[in-house]
Amino acid sequence: QQPVQSPQAVILREGEDAVINCSSSKALYSVHWYRQKHGEAPVFLMILLKGGEQMRHEKISASFNEKKQQSSLYLTASQLSYSGTYFCGTGPRTNSGYALNFGKGTSLLVTP
Amino acid sequence: DTGVSQNPRHKITKRGQNVTFRCDPISEHNRLYWYRQTLGQGPEFLTYFQNEAQLEKSRLLSDRFSAERPKGSFSTLEIQRTEQGDSAMYLCASSTQGDQPQHFGDGTRLSIL
Repeated sequence: QQPVQSPQAVILREGEDAVINCSSSKALYSVHWYRQKHGEAPVFLMILLKGGEQMRHEKISASFNEKKQQSSLYLTASQLSYSGTYFCGTGPRTNSGYALNFGKGTSLLVTP
Repeated sequence: DTGVSQNPRHKITKRGQNVTFRCDPISEHNRLYWYRQTLGQGPEFLTYFQNEAQLEKSRLLSDRFSAERPKGSFSTLEIQRTEQGDSAMYLCASSTQGDQPQHFGDGTRLSIL
């Protein structure tokens, strides 16, 4: 089941904050966050594990609410380099591996 | 750490032809994943290896798709009798054991004429 991301797109001015949400209808064991720039590979940002702590990568942090089966990515004081498409990948753990179900992505544009 | 390497970067072929892509994972990573990504979508899981064993395949993966990882090192993904709907970016990722970050290669973009 593909997780649902919101919003689909957001435009920010440099220095503004944004929140991207990722919700699943299935129980989650983990949530992976990636950023992808046009024509490039997705780049790993952080993992949130069930029962784990809120994570942080530079000025980007994320939370994981197990009861609500959702995760949120917080971008603080956005920089131009934050522009790209953000994907959450959710891991209801399979029997043998950690294949991720990715959402459709949230397109973020940071303007000067 | 040289990263995940994929070849070729681009492949253009006629409908009905067979194509093969290669992925070289990060050397110490024993897990290797193949995903497919189309425009405006997130990566879609295709199949996964732990060492040389193919442990999971997506139900979306038709019989025309086959993947191998001989000796647990590089992997190949072959698509037989390509169709228009196969046009996509094919991404390879690798990781260590457990619920660890998956590091993606730059992908192979397949275009079917």
